[in-house]
Amino acid sequence: GEDVEQSLFLSVREGDSSVINCTYTDSSSTYLYWYKQEPGAGLQLLTYIFSNMDMKQDQRLTVLLNKKDKHLSLRIADTQTGDSAIYFCAESMGNSGGYQKVTFGTGTKLQVIP
Amino acid sequence: NAGVMQNPRHLVRRRGQEARLRCSPMKGHSHVYWYRQLPEEGLKFMVYLQKENIIDESGMPKERFSAEFPKEGPSILRIQQVVRGDSAAYFCASLGGSDTQYFGPGTRLTVL
Repeated sequence: GEDVEQSLFLSVREGDSSVINCTYTDSSSTYLYWYKQEPGAGLQLLTYIFSNMDMKQDQRLTVLLNKKDKHLSLRIADTQTGDSAIYFCAESMGNSGGYQKVTFGTGTKLQVIP
Repeated sequence: NAGVMQNPRHLVRRRGQEARLRCSPMKGHSHVYWYRQLPEEGLKFMVYLQKENIIDESGMPKERFSAEFPKEGPSILRIQQVVRGDSAAYFCASLGGSDTQYFGPGTRLTVL
């Protein structure tokens, strides 16, 4: 299967940590990604993790991967109002065409309250 | 190093007209994807192309939609005889290392 699921909405207060969750169904994923989309803009790659890793940290961002449960999360420390956006997780996997296909989740809208 | 470029950024068409959306990938990238995003929805894959070749068009509607990526010039997504339901944001992405896709700013198509 190629389903990637996310909760639709998350609201946090400025300065708190945000945790955005994602579940996927294909255990043969190669890479998993997090993208950010601000209103009226395209998707901006935030970070990605190779499927044999458990964790990746990049400044305020921490990605956790639980391969057994097929669960990916993105933690944003010290959330700022500029972090308000829609966050998409995505997975890449091989397919019958011999190339890597990327499937995107439905997106989580993060609202940061000042 | 310019990123992925799309034009026009906004396109208005009347029902029955044709829409042409252009995408120039990042320098050195030879593969592009096209996606459609309806308001308040996620991305839906449409087509994956490399220069002069369509690799996967499983997400393209069977009629009125076509895509190309010539040897020279941008990739083109063409929608013939547009209908109101075609109104959406269309994004292209070019493929980099680690299967990473880099997205353009999108073209917002409005069909009147």
